[in-house]
Amino acid sequence: AQSVTQLDSQVPVFEEAPVELRCNYSSSVSVYLFWYVQYPNQGLQLLLKYLSGSTLVESINGFEAEFNKSQTSFHLRKPSVHISDTAEYFCAVSVFQGAQKLVFGQGTRLTINP
Amino acid sequence: ETGVTQSPTHLIKTRGQQVTLRCSSQSGHNTVSWYQQALGQGPQFIFQYYREEENGRGNFPPRFSGLQFPNYSSELNVNALELDDSALYLCASSGGGLNTEAFFGQGTRLTVV
Repeated sequence: AQSVTQLDSQVPVFEEAPVELRCNYSSSVSVYLFWYVQYPNQGLQLLLKYLSGSTLVESINGFEAEFNKSQTSFHLRKPSVHISDTAEYFCAVSVFQGAQKLVFGQGTRLTINP
Repeated sequence: ETGVTQSPTHLIKTRGQQVTLRCSSQSGHNTVSWYQQALGQGPQFIFQYYREEENGRGNFPPRFSGLQFPNYSSELNVNALELDDSALYLCASSGGGLNTEAFFGQGTRLTVV
């Protein structure tokens, strides 16, 4: 069965510092990978996705993630974070088991300190 | 283009009661999925509806049921509420397919006391 592991439950960093949120997946078939962000008391917003093609994908607000098939990883990075990046981040893999569904990791809480 | 909207945003129910949550899918989307997000956890897939039929279900008991209407809006019904049903319930709509983006609503926070 497909699964997603986010290796860090909490990541505190200082403003303008770089950050990496780690995600590993298990899947025996082609994978479609996603990062979602959840701000307090809100639903999930898609941050970026890997479907095919270039293994490096970018979002409009400076985040990027790299699909690494050999390491089954899809880590999220940002070279310089802002206070507004404080949120919960979820890595997910799209799978088909009777229906197309997303399997999520446990989430990583990113806290930006001034 | 309207987004995914859910109602109500919050509600409190007593153990043993029944609850209905509602979701309006994004314009043009015929697939609606429901997820349960317990506090401090990632969302868990409950089930999916496509063209008014349930076409997939996660590891949830039969007291979790749903409907999809001709306009693709959807309801999630939970009978015999238990304390552990307290969670954020998220609705997501999509055009279907493994590589299509799912758009999420803001969720309904259910508290069972």
